[in-house]
Amino acid sequence: GQNIDQPTEMTATEGAIVQINCTYQTSGFNGLFWYQQHAGEAPTFLSYNVLDGLEEKGRFSSFLSRSKGYSYLLLKELQMKDSASYLCAAMDSNYQLIWGAGTKLIIKP
Amino acid sequence: GAVVSQHPSRVICKSGTSVKIECRSLDFQATTMFWYRQFPKKSLMLMATSNEGSKATYEQGVEKDKFLINHASLTLSTLTVTSAHPEDSSFYICSARSTDTEAFFGQGTRLTVV
Repeated sequence: GQNIDQPTEMTATEGAIVQINCTYQTSGFNGLFWYQQHAGEAPTFLSYNVLDGLEEKGRFSSFLSRSKGYSYLLLKELQMKDSASYLCAAMDSNYQLIWGAGTKLIIKP
Repeated sequence: GAVVSQHPSRVICKSGTSVKIECRSLDFQATTMFWYRQFPKKSLMLMATSNEGSKATYEQGVEKDKFLINHASLTLSTLTVTSAHPEDSSFYICSARSTDTEAFFGQGTRLTVV
């Protein structure tokens, strides 16, 4: 079957770095998405990886290893506004997204 | 890597008006483009698949006359939301691929209909 695993909740300190891991199993693979979702709002697109390696966008970076079925989202210089849920989603061979349950990130001062 | 540019990133429109969203492949020829819609707390939904020079193939339940898709060239596809209503407010994202590449995704467009 198809499955996405990511931690339910993580806590980090303002100004620090946090890594959110995601493992996936899908029928075919057409890329891995990361979304940020604040409570009561729709998810907003953060990154998309289809090739192995690290993609950096400012404070956020996303890594993919296709052979391991593994990705992580790295957030640097954490700010209080980064408190949100982070959703990992893998796209299968039919171009449909398979979603993880999301990781709730709590930032403490 | 290949770049897909989606424009605008955010748009607010009045109910009853139409909104056009553009999806461009900047450094490759996109023979196929996909349009998705993000529903709150749900999976990204594939709306339609378009091949350059032919009519788009819509997924079941997607209104063809409401969501007009044009893929007139190998680098541009447009999605027009006609007579938009508040329930059309959503996050729309496109992706594009050529015959021998993976699909690359645009940044998405947040549409708010007021």
